[in-house]
Amino acid sequence: AQRVTQPEKLLSVFKGAPVELKCNYSYSGSPELFWYVQYSRQRLQLLLRHISRESIKGFTADLNKGETSFHLKKPFAQEEDSAMYYCALKYNFNKFYFGSGTKLNVKP
Amino acid sequence: EAQVTQNPRYLITVTGKKLTVTCSQNMNHEYMSWYRQDPGLGLRQIYYSMNVEVTDKGDVPEGYKVSRKEKRNFPLILESPSPNQTSLYFCASSLRDRGYEQYFGPGTRLTVT
Repeated sequence: AQRVTQPEKLLSVFKGAPVELKCNYSYSGSPELFWYVQYSRQRLQLLLRHISRESIKGFTADLNKGETSFHLKKPFAQEEDSAMYYCALKYNFNKFYFGSGTKLNVKP
Repeated sequence: EAQVTQNPRYLITVTGKKLTVTCSQNMNHEYMSWYRQDPGLGLRQIYYSMNVEVTDKGDVPEGYKVSRKEKRNFPLILESPSPNQTSLYFCASSLRDRGYEQYFGPGTRLTVT
């Protein structure tokens, strides 16, 4: 069965510190993985997807098939990065499985 | 403005009273989905639709119905709501040509007493 695990419910870091939000998945097929973010009082929105291999707002994520991971990283956290982050796995056309989310709190 | 809208935004109802939550998108997206969000569980997909008259179950379809008679609308129907359906519900739409990036609605907070 497909699964997405985000082991940290809450991650607190100081401004300027590196941040890594963990995501592990379980899927027997070829995965398509995404990171979504929800800022306070805003809608859930796409941050990045593994296929495009892009950096958005300084965040990157690399798909590691050997470790079945898709961790989200940023070298220097900013206060405006404080938000709820969800890792998501797409499988079978338009079926999505979301992780339980990690709340990132960047302290000044 | 390109967006997904949901109505109502807040709803308190009683067990067994049928209700419908509407979802509409103006982006001509072929895919639409419904999710529920519960504390500690993240978002769980209820139903999705690949196009008009094509729907399929997600992970938690029990107690819900959907229909897709028009491309822009994807209502969620609770025929006989129960307290365990108290949750925050999100509708989303996406386009294959945009890599299935999902555009989410603002959410509907439903309380069933």
